[in-house]
Amino acid sequence: RKEVEQDPGPFNVPEGATVAFNCTYSNSASQSFFWYRQDCRKEPKLLMSVYSSGNEDGRFTAQLNRASQYISLLIRDSKLSDSATYLCVPHGNTGGFKTIFGAGTRLFVKA
Amino acid sequence: DAEITQSPRHKITETGRQVTLACHQTWNHNNMFWYRQDLGHGLRLIHYSYGVHDTNKGEVSDGYSVSRSNTEDLPLTLESAASSQTSVYFCASSESGWTGELFFGEGSRLTVL
Repeated sequence: RKEVEQDPGPFNVPEGATVAFNCTYSNSASQSFFWYRQDCRKEPKLLMSVYSSGNEDGRFTAQLNRASQYISLLIRDSKLSDSATYLCVPHGNTGGFKTIFGAGTRLFVKA
Repeated sequence: DAEITQSPRHKITETGRQVTLACHQTWNHNNMFWYRQDLGHGLRLIHYSYGVHDTNKGEVSDGYSVSRSNTEDLPLTLESAASSQTSVYFCASSESGWTGELFFGEGSRLTVL
């Protein structure tokens, strides 16, 4: 089993749609969880952090289920500018502070 | 403002040459990381360091080395560049502890001919 598994993309959605991405992780010792956003050929940038059961920031909601080792990201009212790759990152998922990334889920939001 | 910078941003080299990619951060972070990113593989960890004089191998360390002589810098060296090392390389840093947010450089695009 891969350490981090994400929904295969790409997701193609119209503007205004709600879309959800799923991510499972294998190491139950992971302490904190992140969603990063990466635009084409750019560096990843932090979108959301999750330290307890979940987090909400405007149109974005992240949910964590430690028992099932599962994280989700929900995007409401999708915008064209949300088109990007979303990376799931359970921090410290292999011990220590090093971080292994999921392969990412590609989102295309269409007008 | 604190930042993390990589250089060069673009480099073309020939097979067999030694190449060094620089990474410099002014966050005063103890943790530094090098990743490579290729189509279809996402970000893969090459080497990482938890502090001065500490270095560790990641998932894809063969053919790469790093050294950490100070807090600010973690240069990545390709001892003998191979075409398979053509990639985009990202350096990142983070604070110690479990907060864990990674701050990335803008990336270095390396082409090995």
